Amino acid sequence: TQLLEQSPQFLSIQEGENLTVYCNSSSVFSSLQWYRQEPGEGPVLLVTVVTGGEVKKLKRLTFQFGDARKDSSLHITAAQPGDTGLYLCAGALFRYNAGNMLTFGGGTRLMVKP
Amino acid sequence: NAGVTQTPKFRVLKTGQSMTLLCAQDMNHEYMYWYRQDPGMGLRLIHYSVGEGTTAKGEVPDGYNVSRLKKQNFLLGLESAAPSQTSVYFCASNLAGGNTEAFFGQGTRLTVV
Repeated sequence: TQLLEQSPQFLSIQEGENLTVYCNSSSVFSSLQWYRQEPGEGPVLLVTVVTGGEVKKLKRLTFQFGDARKDSSLHITAAQPGDTGLYLCAGALFRYNAGNMLTFGGGTRLMVKP
Repeated sequence: NAGVTQTPKFRVLKTGQSMTLLCAQDMNHEYMYWYRQDPGMGLRLIHYSVGEGTTAKGEVPDGYNVSRLKKQNFLLGLESAAPSQTSVYFCASNLAGGNTEAFFGQGTRLTVV
């Protein structure tokens, strides 16, 4: 089992629909990041949330960090075909004597049909 | 500004062969990571480094070794490749650990036959 569980794993929707992706854990993270990955490329950062309860908006994307810093959500309003991709959440977890490691969820593959 | 560069981009190995994947970053980052990405599994952390000369195990370290002799380079070694190590490998770096943006290379697609 992974430290961070993402749901759903796959999502296929029509252009204009709204969607929410969830990222859950039993661990407390010092911060949580969301990345988007295109085929054949490495992930690229969308946003970092640090404070419990924090909400950040990036155009049609809204990111929320849970109050207890164990979970996060990504909401996309009026999805467009250009939003198609793999969305990954990543939590920063401190390990004594080994520093702050970044661990990823399993990803949500989103397809937005025109 | 190259960012994070991985070599090679593709490789086919026979079972039992060894190889080294090289990751180089030119951003003076302290932290570097090696991940593997398999279908439906997202990115799983193999090993990471919090600075020159230091390494630590991640979630799936078995069958891999790493070295960070120079700050800008992080090497991932497979001593005796197995078909289960067929995957896409990504290197990443960030300035000061998990709270800062991670920059990724373009990946190495490794097939072990």
